[in-house]
Amino acid sequence: DIQMTQSPSTLSASVGDRVTITCRASQSISIWLAWYQQKPGKAPKLLIYEVSNLESGIPSRFSGSGSGTEFTLTISSLQPDDFATYYCQHHKDYLGAFGQGTKVEIK
Amino acid sequence: EAQLVESGGGLVQPGGSLRLSCTASEFTFSDYWMIWVRQAPGKGLEWVANIKQDGSEENYVDFVKGRFTISRDNAKSSLYLQMNSLRAEDSAVYFCARSRLSGRYSALDIWGQGTMVTVSS
Repeated sequence: DIQMTQSPSTLSASVGDRVTITCRASQSISIWLAWYQQKPGKAPKLLIYEVSNLESGIPSRFSGSGSGTEFTLTISSLQPDDFATYYCQHHKDYLGAFGQGTKVEIK
Repeated sequence: EAQLVESGGGLVQPGGSLRLSCTASEFTFSDYWMIWVRQAPGKGLEWVANIKQDGSEENYVDFVKGRFTISRDNAKSSLYLQMNSLRAEDSAVYFCARSRLSGRYSALDIWGQGTMVTVSS
């Protein structure tokens, strides 16, 4: 099965910072990668699908890039509402493992 | 607005069984792949299982194969997860979710609020 590894596990940043989270797949997943944001006690929210496509209603400060096995989520200017945990997920071969998550904390 | 609502969680003893339900509204349920995802307290998201639109294909993560069964009733716009031989490590919030593209397996765009399952004696 394909394994997903995110780094870092925790990230401390300030409002206005540019933030980058990396996700690596154990084998090529082509473009079949999504990013989610989750806040405590809430369901995850889809941010980006197929590597770089912004879900409807998601602010343009979020962007995604990559291909094959290495992917990144970038927040261009961190806002107070962005402090949360972020997960990558592949959806290749009708399966769908998640990365272990990256918690973005206030510095 | 498309919505998913889970139910059926609760406290169960190790070795016991539980059936979770997820009811969909405001979208054509039979057009979409559906998925179960779980999250143990303080831990990350774990993909559990999915099922094709017509129920003809199911996929499971290794640690639930042979114990959990995903199913659906399109006439009732409902998704189910039958969980047998439950273990303490199955304790988690269970979310149902929808694949965002009609007719194709894709990212998960609609999520329920989750239902808590606790396996303990």
